[in-house]
Amino acid sequence: DAKTTQPNSMESNEEEPVHLPCNHSTISGTDYIHWYRQLPSQGPEYVIHGLTSNVNNRMASLAIAEDRKSSTLILHRATLRDAAVYYCILSAYGGSQGNLIFGKGTKLSVKP
Amino acid sequence: DSGVTQTPKHLITATGQRVTLRCSPRSGDLSVYWYQQSLDQGLQFLIQYYNGEERAKGNILERFSAQQFPDLHSELNLSSLELGDSALYFCASSVDRGGHGNTQYFGPGTRLTVL
Repeated sequence: DAKTTQPNSMESNEEEPVHLPCNHSTISGTDYIHWYRQLPSQGPEYVIHGLTSNVNNRMASLAIAEDRKSSTLILHRATLRDAAVYYCILSAYGGSQGNLIFGKGTKLSVKP
Repeated sequence: DSGVTQTPKHLITATGQRVTLRCSPRSGDLSVYWYQQSLDQGLQFLIQYYNGEERAKGNILERFSAQQFPDLHSELNLSSLELGDSALYFCASSVDRGGHGNTQYFGPGTRLTVL
């Protein structure tokens, strides 16, 4: 499975945008890029996913580099509730296994 | 609320014992996944069931087993428990077999403490 690299931790101020980077230089053409987050004492929560084009939903935006070797999760206005560990995960389209392989993720702290 | 339910929320037991963790997937989801989260290992995939059949296996110990019933709920059985089995156990569900978008919805977890 292709691996991802994320910073261990990041800090943000409340109400400001946050850009969480992820490197995946060995991504294959059929790998989707997924982002999940885990709030303290909760199960992981789906945030967003994409293949080639940038994606937006009510929670966040996903910006994918043209060569797909990196991506950025964008939280447009961080709130205290966004403090969590954010995981960038690759999964293969049509792959035989559907499980997610979690790395260590980025722990995001949000300051009031 | 993800729609995935897990019981019990907390479980405290002794070494050598056997426990059963239960998961009910979201309505309409056919796949159930089990993950273990410990402080030193992070989130590790254990096993996946799709519509009653085992679909994929991860780092699941032989002392652990799972099954998915006709009503699609799943149980994870942990036996001959050791101190190192203390962890959070999460269940997740998705509508299909995997790959592609494969959005997974996670339950709140069962915290297992082995004394």
